[in-house]
Amino acid sequence: DIQMTQSPSSLSASVGDRVTITCRASQSISSYLNWYQQKPGKAPKLLIYSASNLQSGVPSRFSGSGFGTEFTLAISSLQPEDFATYYCQQSYNTLPITFGQGTRLDIK
Amino acid sequence: QVQLQESGPRLVKPSQTLSLTCNVSGDSINSGSYYWSWIRQPAGKGLEWIGRIHKSGSTNYNPSLKSRVSMSVDTSKNQFSLNLISVTAADSAVYYCVCGVAWNYIFDFWGQGTLVIVSS
Repeated sequence: DIQMTQSPSSLSASVGDRVTITCRASQSISSYLNWYQQKPGKAPKLLIYSASNLQSGVPSRFSGSGFGTEFTLAISSLQPEDFATYYCQQSYNTLPITFGQGTRLDIK
Repeated sequence: QVQLQESGPRLVKPSQTLSLTCNVSGDSINSGSYYWSWIRQPAGKGLEWIGRIHKSGSTNYNPSLKSRVSMSVDTSKNQFSLNLISVTAADSAVYYCVCGVAWNYIFDFWGQGTLVIVSS
């Protein structure tokens, strides 16, 4: 299985801050990396696909980068609605499809 | 835009079969290159992909669950289904039905999720 490890597991930040979340894969997955946002009691929502492509309707303050084994999700200026848990997911077509353990983003 | 709604029993006894259905609206389950997945999330934990099915009936399952999982598509009802046999407490989770618009395991649209508890 391809293991996905996110760091940090949790972080606290303030409205207006820039934050980054890292996702590392246990083997190279090219650009087959997606990011999701999940708010409490809600289903995850696709934010970024194929490492750096912004899903339609997602604010431009979200961005993704990376290739191979290391990837980053950045939020340029945190808004109150961005406080949530974020998951990375590899879609390298090697089963099983796996997710990171999640990064919880809280208000400082 | 595709919309998804899960339905099924909220409580299942150990060793029995968990059966869920996902109703698809907003488009035909037969359209395009949609792939229909199930993903689950135990309380307070992360996401686990269970498997997926294509309109053709072709399936891909998580190897860790493959011996217990089956999925099917009912095009006449615009639904797809999950069966998980021989359940234990470890199968208690929120189960999401999910749509990917292409073959590439990107999960574009999600149902709201349904909580299933395995308990006697």
